[in-house]
Formats: sequence, C-alpha cells, structure tokens
Amino acid sequence: DADVTQTPRNRITKTGKRIMLECSQTKGHDRMYWYRQDPGLGLRLIYYSFDVKDINKGEISDGYSVSRQAQAKFSLSLESAIPNQTALYFCATSDGGTPRDEQFFGPGTRLTVL
Amino acid sequence: AQSVTQLGSHVSVSEGALVLLRCNYSSSVPPYLFWYVQYPNQGLQLLLKYTSAATLVKGINGFEAEFKKSETSFHLTKPSAHMRDAAEYFCAVTKNSGGYQKVTFGTGTKLQVIP
Repeated sequence: DADVTQTPRNRITKTGKRIMLECSQTKGHDRMYWYRQDPGLGLRLIYYSFDVKDINKGEISDGYSVSRQAQAKFSLSLESAIPNQTALYFCATSDGGTPRDEQFFGPGTRLTVL
Repeated sequence: AQSVTQLGSHVSVSEGALVLLRCNYSSSVPPYLFWYVQYPNQGLQLLLKYTSAATLVKGINGFEAEFKKSETSFHLTKPSAHMRDAAEYFCAVTKNSGGYQKVTFGTGTKLQVIP
C-alpha cells in the first residue's frame, strides 16, 4: 500500500463549487504539505502543517484553506473554485523540518475547474 | 532568497546515450540540493540529494549529480539512458525557514528517450 494517498485522483467541477481534496499518510510523519503544480512553473507551496495544532500559509494560500484532522490526515479545500485553480495538487510529508530532509509525495489530484 | 534554474524544459536523448539535465542554483547560505523524478501519473520521488558530505552524489537508477560551487551548478547525469527514464525531473534547493523546510523547486525538465 502507498505511504501517502490522495483522494480523489481526478475531479472536474464548476466555478463557485466547494471542493475538498484529502490526503492520508501511514509514514507517521508530523509534517505535511500541500503543493500545486502548473506546467512550466514547478511546484508551489500552498499550506504546511507541523502537527495537528500548527498550520501555516505557504506562498500561494489565497483561495485555499486546510484542515489537519489527525496526524495522518491533511485536507485542502477550495471554498469557491475558480478556473485558474485548475492544476495538479500534491500532498507531501516529511519526518523532520531540516533542509536535508526528504519529502514524500502522494500521487496527486488532477483538478479541473470549468 | 533562493532559486533554481533548470535549463531546457524538454530534453530528448536516444536510448543508450548520455543523459545530462542542467540545474543552477542561487542561495545565500550553503545549499541543500535535491533531484526528484516524476513518472507519468505519479508523485515526485527522490533521486538523490546533496548535503555537503561529498560533491559527487550517487542516486537511484544509475543517476548521479556533481555539486560545483564555483559554477553554482548541480547537473544530473546518467551514462546510458533507458526507456524507463522517460519522466519529468525537478531540481530543488532547500533551507530552514522559521522551523520548516522551505523547498524551492525548479520548473522541471521532461526527458524523452527515443528508442
């Protein structure tokens, strides 16, 4: 079984709809991250969480919110989806927060907003 | 501020040929550098990382990268390309930022391997 899972894997929705993307991990890591990937732009950080009580904004958090329901679960919500939020979304985890620590990524959720 | 520049959004090589994917970085502190690979319909996975222990870093699947401070480069190479190497490759630089690992990714290089 995969260590970091994301649901759904694909989603098509309409402008103005509320969408939740879910992430679960079995690695036992405290740190979790949400990124979005756009062609030609690489990955950009939306939110990150040190633990259940510690959630922080990343570089592109506008229009997004998150919830850390448990150590293993980190959800990303789009309260009112807009077309420029069409992207590939990745959840990631890490064991530590030092610069040398590897991040472990889920398979991604492809979101299309019409 | 830290940044990463990957030269060439698409690279094509013949099967068996040398793979060279370029990455140049900018960092105000000694950098920690990573190469991640993304296979189709999958998340990113670590190929290798530089953490100042050795300038030549060996990774998985026969890839390696050499850290050159004078050139601010961390290019990824593989002597002989295989069809399974077709993927997108991301260079990344990291630093500590307020207690978390701030990762700056490059824009990615898609590698095509021609039979």
